[in-house]
Amino acid sequence: KAGVTQTPRYLIKTRGQQVTLSCSPISGHRSVSWYQQTPGQGLQFLFEYFSETQRNKGNFPGRFSGRQFSNSRSEMNVSTLELGDSALYLCASTLFTQETQYFGPGTRLLVL
Amino acid sequence: GIQVEQSPPDLILQEGANSTLRCNFSDSVNNLQWFHQNPWGQLINLFYIPSGTKQNGRLSATTVATERYSLLYISSSQTTDSGVYFCAVSGANNLFFGTGTRLTVIP
Repeated sequence: KAGVTQTPRYLIKTRGQQVTLSCSPISGHRSVSWYQQTPGQGLQFLFEYFSETQRNKGNFPGRFSGRQFSNSRSEMNVSTLELGDSALYLCASTLFTQETQYFGPGTRLLVL
Repeated sequence: GIQVEQSPPDLILQEGANSTLRCNFSDSVNNLQWFHQNPWGQLINLFYIPSGTKQNGRLSATTVATERYSLLYISSSQTTDSGVYFCAVSGANNLFFGTGTRLTVIP
């Protein structure tokens, strides 16, 4: 089975712009979670989607949003980018919830 | 949220040495996972271990849920074991990560 894929792998944006990141889970997996990793804050949970519904959301401002499509692919969007949004964004998929999470390679976002 | 503490924060080993990494968590959890993050940022799942002991080759893990800790054992370390090891626990839904243990294995 193919693993979790994320696109793009690298991205450079400027402050004020918006960005959309994509995650394709392992075939058959229905749950997708998103995480932000920064040197200062470590790995932090953003949100989880299951069957196109957001099940849970971390403590991030409303500029961070996401969605999941009927084929389980997920996108996250960050609007009005700030310098502090520079991070590695990781997505993980599981068959259902509360199970082993399989991570994608991540998208490295740099905001200038 | 659940607090997750990992120790030690940094560890330098000679190739062939053994090590034990510890993860303490502040509340009862539904699951606990250990991950290895390689230098390129990829997180690799090592163990899904809410309780008990599991072994996979040179790695093994033990979780004592009643005492709220988990241990990851690495035996006969190799340079490819270098990277950051994370423990992550889940309560209701979210996965909470520790700050990691950075392992450097020297040839």
